[in-house]
Parts: sequence; structure tokens; C-alpha cells
Amino acid sequence: QSALTQPASVSGSPGQSITISCTGTSSDVGGYNYVSWYQQHPGKAPKLMIYDVSNRPSGVSNRFSGSKSGNTASLTISGLQAEDEADYYCSSYTSSSTLVFGTGTKVTVL
Amino acid sequence: QITLKESGPTLVKPTQTLTLTCTFSGFSLSTSGVGVGWIRQPPGKALEWLALIYWDDDKRYSPSLKSRLTITKDTSKNQVVLTMTNMDPVDTATYYCAHRGLGKYFDYWGQGTLVTVSS
Repeated sequence: QSALTQPASVSGSPGQSITISCTGTSSDVGGYNYVSWYQQHPGKAPKLMIYDVSNRPSGVSNRFSGSKSGNTASLTISGLQAEDEADYYCSSYTSSSTLVFGTGTKVTVL
Repeated sequence: QITLKESGPTLVKPTQTLTLTCTFSGFSLSTSGVGVGWIRQPPGKALEWLALIYWDDDKRYSPSLKSRLTITKDTSKNQVVLTMTNMDPVDTATYYCAHRGLGKYFDYWGQGTLVTVSS
């Protein structure tokens, strides 16, 4: 299985909205509504931000939202804040009953 | 609350076998639907899913590493063990274990343990 494809970097100014894409295939992203997103600050463990494409765990800001169209999932961060600067990874369930992560996106707050 | 912690050697030599233990609390691996997975991250690189074991002892492995990985559980000790054979310097990474609840995602993660492969 190949890693899901994400842009290497995305940037935005405080208050703006940014969107991170996550492209897979019909055997993973496109085949299931089991896409999740993780935030990782330097030196820290990943933190679950979105699960099942668009659901937020308790305690995660509603500035984070997820969606999917075909083989591409997206994470949108609205009202960008300095604390949102981190690496973000998508993940998807696959037709082999395994999981696959994305290539990761570094979000920079200008 | 759910916590997980990885333990094992910080340094292994090439060709050796790595054994990592994930000790957890706050949940039972005998509860239907629950799983524990292993994920690694080489320095400066992306996350890579390695393996997952379910409450019923079903096991799943990354296709690219399947021949080198074994995942087992000891429910009475609240531990999951990952072994990786024939270690190589490219396997240098931080190794995480994580809790998978009823969904197909990891909602709780350990702090990670850095394993360096070097002679």
C-alpha cells in the first residue's frame, strides 16, 4: 500500500482558513468513510483531530473540520491560530483491513 | 483515563531483532472491538503504520513489513509486544503504540520511544 498524498506545506495568516488535501485511491480513501486526521507538534505524539471523515473528538476545536470527495479527503482549519502550527497527517482504512497514513503536511502560521 | 507507554532498547545493532513492549491502562484488550497498534516515525519523516492486534487476537500487518513483524498480546498484563527482525539503520525511528477503540482510528497514543539502529 502506498502512503496517501498530502501537500508538503500549507501556510496562512492568523484568522484565515486553510485546507489540507489527502489523496488516495478507491481502495482506501475513496472506498470507506474511515479517514482520520492527526495533529503533531514537534517532539510530541500525534493527536486525533478528526475521525470518520468529519467527526471531531470531544475537546477538539470546531475550527477543525473534515470532508471527502471521491478519493480525496480534506481538513480545513478556520480562524487560523498560532497554536495550529504543526504537522498534520491523514489516515485511512484500506481494503486489506489495514491502515495507511499520509505523507504529512507542515502548517505554518505566517 | 487511557494511557499507553512504550518500552524497549534505545539502540540495536544491524541484523538484530527489536522487541518493543506497550504497557497500557484504562482499558482492557479483552473488550470487544478494541485494538492496539504500532506506528513509527523516522526522524523528520512521516508516520508509518506497522501492525494492529485486536481483542480477539486478529492481527494485521503492513504489507511492506509483514515478513519482519510479529505482534502479540498479554491481556492479563495489559501489554502488547511488537518484534521486528533483521533491523537496519533505515528502521531508526520513534516507535509509538496507540489505542484503537470501536472506530478505525487511534484515539490515544503513547509518548513514543526512539530506537536507533547502528553498529
